[in-house]
Amino acid sequence: DGGITQSPKYLFRKEGQNVTLSCEQNLNHDAMYWYRQDPGQGLRLIYYSQIVNDFQKGDIAEGYSVSREKKESFPLTVTSAQKNPTAFYLCASSQGGGGTDTQYFGPGTRLTVL
Amino acid sequence: QKEVEQNSGPLSVPEGAIASLNCTYSDRGSQSFFWYRQYSGKSPELIMSIYSNGDKEDGRFTAQLNKASQYVSLLIRDSQPSDSATYLCAVTRNYGQNFVFGPGTRLSVLP
Repeated sequence: DGGITQSPKYLFRKEGQNVTLSCEQNLNHDAMYWYRQDPGQGLRLIYYSQIVNDFQKGDIAEGYSVSREKKESFPLTVTSAQKNPTAFYLCASSQGGGGTDTQYFGPGTRLTVL
Repeated sequence: QKEVEQNSGPLSVPEGAIASLNCTYSDRGSQSFFWYRQYSGKSPELIMSIYSNGDKEDGRFTAQLNKASQYVSLLIRDSQPSDSATYLCAVTRNYGQNFVFGPGTRLSVLP
């Protein structure tokens, strides 16, 4: 089945720890995105990548880092510099980075800081 | 002014009625517009995309776009309790490189 997978589904982190969220897609999409969603809020863009080995900061990149070494993978690291990381994290992909390309979402990872 | 604005709701409609969801955006250069549905605790799923002024229909859903007024709407006919969810409006920006999402409107369809 084609789609986007995210792991883990739930993640608990102690303060001061870095954690990495996984996002994999087998849709052969060029572009991938990371969003953060807080309760009752819309989605805010963290980072996006339109092609392998290239990525750009979104609106709330501080405290996060990404890599795009393979077309199908776009992991997100939440660093200890992110002061309020508890949120629902969503990964998405689209065929290209063009404006007409629909973004499709993975199931999400819910991160809680203890 | 926020880039994309939506009424937060909740919007309550009786079963079988028409639900009307509205979205306004600030970037006149935006070219593509999307409606997503998100059930509680789940990820967003695409309902419709629209790129040209006018109406676009898909089953019980109709998207309406007016670029001059910077306004896009979603009508849901014959609303069902299963339509109860949060509806997110997304608009392209930065010459189409990425999206910006509105805060979402929570819809409740009452049996």
